[in-house]
Amino acid sequence: EPEVTQTPSHQVTQMGQEVILRCVPISNHLYFYWYRQILGQKVEFLVSFYNNEISEKSEIFDDQFSVERPDGSNFTLKIRSTKLEDSAMYFCASRGQGQANTGELFFGEGSRLTVL
Amino acid sequence: DAKTTQPNSMESNEEEPVHLPCNHSTISGTDYIHWYRQLPSQGPEYVIHGLTSNVNNRMASLAIAEDRKSSTLILHRATLRDAAVYYCILRRNSGNTPLVFGKGTRLSVIA
Repeated sequence: EPEVTQTPSHQVTQMGQEVILRCVPISNHLYFYWYRQILGQKVEFLVSFYNNEISEKSEIFDDQFSVERPDGSNFTLKIRSTKLEDSAMYFCASRGQGQANTGELFFGEGSRLTVL
Repeated sequence: DAKTTQPNSMESNEEEPVHLPCNHSTISGTDYIHWYRQLPSQGPEYVIHGLTSNVNNRMASLAIAEDRKSSTLILHRATLRDAAVYYCILRRNSGNTPLVFGKGTRLSVIA
């Protein structure tokens, strides 16, 4: 069964460092998303991406965050200068073209980011 | 997105049916009702979705009230593997609208 894969599974970084989280969405999917989940809290939407541009972003997704689809397979989330409060599990998700508003989102297993 | 209300937690015995309720009294005509679940230490996983009619798939059934102001996710026979947080989410039928997760219902399954 096709799946969304994320790397790294866990990254520890120092405050102020840049971090790039990588995702390989399902191959024929066109809609991509990043979510985060702080430990013990709910899953929060960060950004959606379609046709090589951001479709929508939340207020969490400030200037420290950026997304990119550098090639035909990867979808990356960059945090320019990490803060302690960026420590969370980051989930990538993708969706096929199908019926745009009813299609299932497929989530990856997540990348745990720990900022020290 | 319209708001949903779910109980914080529920408990079920293994091999018994589970009915997970969701209230969405401010649902609009084009909102789809989606259910996702999150198993421990995993990403969210799609369960089922519907608009007006009841829906069945291999994982669960979705019963939607006639006025669409509430719905119920039905697990016909709970297993230990069904212990998870279940999210009821309304998603507007416009553009690339993202899923917005609430706190969900934490389901515990007792052997």
